[in-house]
Amino acid sequence: GESVGLHLPTLSVQEGDNSIINCAYSNSASDYFIWYKQESGKGPQFIIDIRSNMDKRQGQRVTVLLNKTVKHLSLQIAATQPGDSAVYFCAENIEGNTPLVFGKGTRLSVIA
Amino acid sequence: KAGVTQTPRYLIKTRGQQVTLSCSPISGHRSVSWYQQTPGQGLQFLFEYFSETQRNKGNFPGRFSGRQFSNSRSEMNVSTLELGDSALYLCASSLALDPGLSTDTQYFGPGTRLTVL
Repeated sequence: GESVGLHLPTLSVQEGDNSIINCAYSNSASDYFIWYKQESGKGPQFIIDIRSNMDKRQGQRVTVLLNKTVKHLSLQIAATQPGDSAVYFCAENIEGNTPLVFGKGTRLSVIA
Repeated sequence: KAGVTQTPRYLIKTRGQQVTLSCSPISGHRSVSWYQQTPGQGLQFLFEYFSETQRNKGNFPGRFSGRQFSNSRSEMNVSTLELGDSALYLCASSLALDPGLSTDTQYFGPGTRLTVL
């Protein structure tokens, strides 16, 4: 498949371990954050979102943590599987009709 | 429900030509956004359309334009293509029940891979 980004930071994780992907967002006024997963040859796929009035939100095998003090967002994937191998992007925007701003992405590589 | 579809999936053009890409949003979605994705710059916002009106525009030259039709389908056009326009062009749609908000979840299509020779 096509390469999304040739020089992305890469996280290599053993199958079954937990993964933590980090993102430093840029705008202290942002109040909505999303994590997307992009597999080779596909468009970004929504994983989970969180609004600024929350610190933590859980989905199926995924947890997003938001630290507004240091403008930091993280995505935790429990029991990482080979199918989780992809590039992960965080995105932010300000509620009220502004476009999403995407981070550069992190490549997650799961070692079987 | 069918997802966002984009046509064509792959396109090869030469410098100076123009190109039109098409996007069909998820049924019922009223907002369509376009992004350019390159290895060097990542995902960059091009523009967003809602009810046939452009309501947000990114920092791209006027060679990049778009429109939305009454059925919410959208097209983007790039005129006078340059080598640097080679990229994956992604379309995303959202429900946009409240047009004053932009925090609806955006669902992406597979993209159109444009190569400019």
